[in-house]
Amino acid sequence: DTGVSQDPRHKITKRGQNVTFRCDPISEHNRLYWYRQTLGQGPEFLTYFQNEAQLEKSRLLSDRFSAERPKGSFSTLEIQRTEQGDSAMYLCASSFLTLWETQYFGPGTRLLVL
Amino acid sequence: GQQLNQSPQSMFIQEGEDVSMNCTSSSIFNTWLWYKQDPGEGPVLLIALYKAGELTSNGRLTAQFGITRKDSFLNISASIPSDVGIYFCAGQPRSNTGNQFYFGTGTSLTVIP
Repeated sequence: DTGVSQDPRHKITKRGQNVTFRCDPISEHNRLYWYRQTLGQGPEFLTYFQNEAQLEKSRLLSDRFSAERPKGSFSTLEIQRTEQGDSAMYLCASSFLTLWETQYFGPGTRLLVL
Repeated sequence: GQQLNQSPQSMFIQEGEDVSMNCTSSSIFNTWLWYKQDPGEGPVLLIALYKAGELTSNGRLTAQFGITRKDSFLNISASIPSDVGIYFCAGQPRSNTGNQFYFGTGTSLTVIP
């Protein structure tokens, strides 16, 4: 199966620690998106890449968050100095450029900040 | 951000029944999508709608892009236990020049065998 994969699936950390998540998109897809989902809510857009360029960032992406897609393939999302409010499911999705609306999601990384 | 209101918030139905849910917005949308999410998993795209009035089916699922472009509907016919999950609408507002979606808060569906 060559769907979107994310690693790790679960992460528990203490407040103040840094965490990094990885997303491997579907290999032919140019675009890669990061979303955050809290309990009882729909996903909220964080940022997206077209190949290696980060083209759009949400106001939700504070300066403690940074995302990279260095070679236009996999992407990492790092959260520095985690806070309890960062606890959420972090979802990655990918799509073709021309059919960007058709986004395929990974299984997500669930983060718990103690 | 954009507010997408989904209704109902939750549904408990008997297996075999038909299901209807909807999503409304205060602004005009260019695209509407419907996703299903199982617990602990990412959303899975069910149907994408691109034009006002468009009616699209995917098996037992049928979705419509409202004529006003401010709403969308999803129907599931003859529900089965594996239809259980949370259904999200998502869309791209016409006013949004970027490439991002806004998601609704979801409709939780429980199917009683």
